[in-house]
Amino acid sequence: DAKTTQPPSMDCAEGRAANLPCNHSTISGNEYVYWYRQIHSQGPQYIIHGLKNNETNEMASLIITEDRKSSTLILPHATLRDTAVYYCIVRSPDDKIIFGKGTRLHILP
Amino acid sequence: NAGVMQNPRHLVRRRGQEARLRCSPVKGHSHVYWYRQLPEEGLKFMVYLQKENIIDESGMPKERFSAEFPKEGPSILRIQQVVRGDSAAYFCASSPPGRWGTDTQYFGPGTRLTVL
Repeated sequence: DAKTTQPPSMDCAEGRAANLPCNHSTISGNEYVYWYRQIHSQGPQYIIHGLKNNETNEMASLIITEDRKSSTLILPHATLRDTAVYYCIVRSPDDKIIFGKGTRLHILP
Repeated sequence: NAGVMQNPRHLVRRRGQEARLRCSPVKGHSHVYWYRQLPEEGLKFMVYLQKENIIDESGMPKERFSAEFPKEGPSILRIQQVVRGDSAAYFCASSPPGRWGTDTQYFGPGTRLTVL
């Protein structure tokens, strides 16, 4: 079973920041938080990952709470092409990736 | 996607036939993973392979399914005597040498298997 809880769907207006929450209250010390997304019918695309510090790359920012029990993926300026299912994944070095149901993000024009 | 190739992209088989799905990882990657996605469901891990070795096959059905990653050539996921329930999208991912937890997996475009 997935170790994360995400809302099933969210809407965001085009051009605004999309903030996708993820709860992982049972995360352990050696587990990383990964985010992937899957645009319709395509293979999952890596977005970002982190352990405990906030991370930023060209695609997104990842904010992890101090207690590491939750995180937020931020897409700073959402476009229609960001419409996808977003998966928050928690995994340790000795564990496989377990995908949950993710959040279906709809970007509204 | 960062260069993982899968072929064929679409495969149609009749019940009882064999399906062979191929995956060429990103150049330099020595770890390959296979996932299955049933219609309207999330991805499910099937198997993790390194060159010539199966590391974790805990997600593979016990019968009819096998996977290999030979020293030379692509990784192959083989499904014998396919049934309608095998219809799904099969995704391959690869990662560079190293420990799981810090290695990003890059996914291919998938093979969509339809069993008639």
